[in-house]
Amino acid sequence: AQSVSQHNHHVILSEAASLELGCNYSYGGTVNLFWYVQYPGQHLQLLLKYFSGDPLVKGIKGFEAEFIKSKFSFNLRKPSVQWSDTAEYFCAVSSGYNKLIFGAGTRLAVHP
Amino acid sequence: DTAVSQTPKYLVTQMGNDKSIKCEQNLGHDTMYWYKQDSKKFLKIMFSYNNKELIINETVPNRFSPKSPDKAHLNLHINSLELGDSAVYFCASSRGTSQETQYFGPGTRLLVL
Repeated sequence: AQSVSQHNHHVILSEAASLELGCNYSYGGTVNLFWYVQYPGQHLQLLLKYFSGDPLVKGIKGFEAEFIKSKFSFNLRKPSVQWSDTAEYFCAVSSGYNKLIFGAGTRLAVHP
Repeated sequence: DTAVSQTPKYLVTQMGNDKSIKCEQNLGHDTMYWYKQDSKKFLKIMFSYNNKELIINETVPNRFSPKSPDKAHLNLHINSLELGDSAVYFCASSRGTSQETQYFGPGTRLLVL
C-alpha cells in the first residue's frame, strides 16, 4: 500500500533561516507528488507539484522541492523563511483515480 | 467567486443525530472528493465522485453516505453521529482523475457532543 512519511513533526525556526522538510513515499509505480500548506484556520493550498520532467520544481512563495526517485523522496526547501510561513505543511502522493495519500504533516513555527 | 465552497463552516450537534455537509465547486471540474482531518491534523480520503459516479470509497462506516446530484455538488450525509466523527471535513475538486491538482474547500468543523 502507498504511504507517505514526513520526518519532522514540529520545526521551529527563526526568520531568515533555511528550511528543509523531509518527505518519503512508498509506491512502486509512477507517482504524482504534491506539497500543500495549511495556514492557521485556513484550507489547504497547493505549494507545488511534480508530475514529470525536471525533478526540481518551483512553487509559490519561494518554495521548491526536489524529486529524487532513487531515494523515494520529495523534500521541500526554502532558503529564507518568514514569519508568514508559519503553517502546517503536508506532503502527498497520488496515483490511480487521483487519490491523494497525505503524510502526517509538519508544523512549522517561524519566530521573528 | 469562491472556487470550492462548503456549508456549514461549523457544525455542533449531539450524538445520534443525522447531519449533512454540502459542497459546491464553480471550477467546472468533473471530480470531487471528501477528506477527513482528525484532531492530529491527519488527512484521509473518504470518497471521490467523477461525473456523478462513485470512484473511490475508502473504508468508511456505512453511516457516511455521499451524494452527487450533479458534477458541481458533492454532499456528505452522516447518520447516527458518534463522538469519533468530530473532525474537519474538507471537500476538494479536480478537473479529472489523472495527474490533476485538487483544490480544497475551507472545511467544515464538526463537533459531536
